[in-house]
Amino acid sequence: GIQVEQSPPDLILQEGANSTLRCNFSDSVNNLQWFHQNPWGQLINLFYIPSGTKQNGRLSATTVATERYSLLYISSSQTTDSGVYFCAVQITSYDKVIFGPGTSLSVIP
Amino acid sequence: EAGVTQFPSHSVIEKGQTVTLRCDPISGHDNLYWYRRVMGKEIKFLLHFVKESKQDESGMPNNRFLAERTGGTYSTLKVQPAELEDSGVYFCASSAHRVYGYTFGSGTRLTVV
Repeated sequence: GIQVEQSPPDLILQEGANSTLRCNFSDSVNNLQWFHQNPWGQLINLFYIPSGTKQNGRLSATTVATERYSLLYISSSQTTDSGVYFCAVQITSYDKVIFGPGTSLSVIP
Repeated sequence: EAGVTQFPSHSVIEKGQTVTLRCDPISGHDNLYWYRRVMGKEIKFLLHFVKESKQDESGMPNNRFLAERTGGTYSTLKVQPAELEDSGVYFCASSAHRVYGYTFGSGTRLTVV
């Protein structure tokens, strides 16, 4: 089956710093989403981005489908950005979503 | 529109007891999925309903887990009897036919003691 890798596995940032999270996938996908699991366990949808670039406030994401990777940029990080960031893919729109292992982010004051 | 709703948000039960989690998908969404993240590990697929039918239940860990979706609306996931390793966060998601992207609920945090 398709493999989804994320890097780095863990990241500690000083508040105000920028970061880039990466997601690699082993096969062509129809759908790619980025999620944030906050410290309370809630899973928040950040971006639906099978290709191209999107921005939402301090967050932006880019997917290069032909090269099978996606990047999530966090600028001017805040302590509320802490949690685990998951990349998730679907091969077709009818398939289950496959999650990557996540990047655990801690933003310290 | 209302999002995917899950309840309870948190449940603490003793080993051997029964717990039922509920998920209300977005109205009109035929596809409903259950996932879970246990012990800080990866988020794993459990099963997929299309309306009231189980399309894929390959991720169900064992026969202590029973999922239902009567009438093709809300779904329940029952764990009976619960074991310590069942602790984690259980997520439900829904999607419309031929529409890309899932919407996830906020999850139910299950703690078995």
